[in-house]
Amino acid sequence: GAVVSQHPSRVICKSGTSVKIECRSLDFQATTMFWYRQFPKQSLMLMATSNEGSKATYEQGVEKDKFLINHASLTLSTLTVTSAHPEDSSFYICSARDRDRGYGYTFGSGTRLTVV
Amino acid sequence: KQEVTQIPAALSVPEGENLVLNCSFTDSAIYNLQWFRQDPGKGLTSLLLIQSSQREQTSGRLNASLDKSSGRSTLYIAASQPGDSATYLCAVRNSGNTPLVFGKGTRLSVIA
Repeated sequence: GAVVSQHPSRVICKSGTSVKIECRSLDFQATTMFWYRQFPKQSLMLMATSNEGSKATYEQGVEKDKFLINHASLTLSTLTVTSAHPEDSSFYICSARDRDRGYGYTFGSGTRLTVV
Repeated sequence: KQEVTQIPAALSVPEGENLVLNCSFTDSAIYNLQWFRQDPGKGLTSLLLIQSSQREQTSGRLNASLDKSSGRSTLYIAASQPGDSATYLCAVRNSGNTPLVFGKGTRLSVIA
């Protein structure tokens, strides 16, 4: 089935630094990718919709200048957390759909970000 | 705005029991509904997907039903095993290319 590869799986960074998370669709082209964030014992909350070749659409309350999304190709979307703070510590996960393989979304394996 | 609720929040059962997880959603005009499994600190594994025109889907010991008009879905797990211990998430999509809206999940523990 469709596979979305997400890296890194785990990252620890210092406050004030930036962290880039990558999501790649390995065997299909993803014109749209969704980025979610999950705090402990909470549900996945949509952060933004990433569209290949255009600007991302952010959900209300998500700072676009802090969470930079780039979707430069049909197989790669990146999320950069800029000037990270401890409150940005969370589980970040992306998803995409292979239109040729059915109706479901495939998710990456997630990135556990810890800001110290 | 679509909201998804899952009951119970946590469930602990002895091995071998059959169990039902519940999911409800406020806007019944959905495109499809998906059940996922999430292990601690891990990503999501899709279990079952039900299109809006379908009433149920089965995969092995799992059966998911959908009653779109009442805004409900259930996930039935037969003969539960310790390996089934995980958080089960229900998510709905309102149209073709829109994102999924998730419930908070049901944390299942199957005791050997």
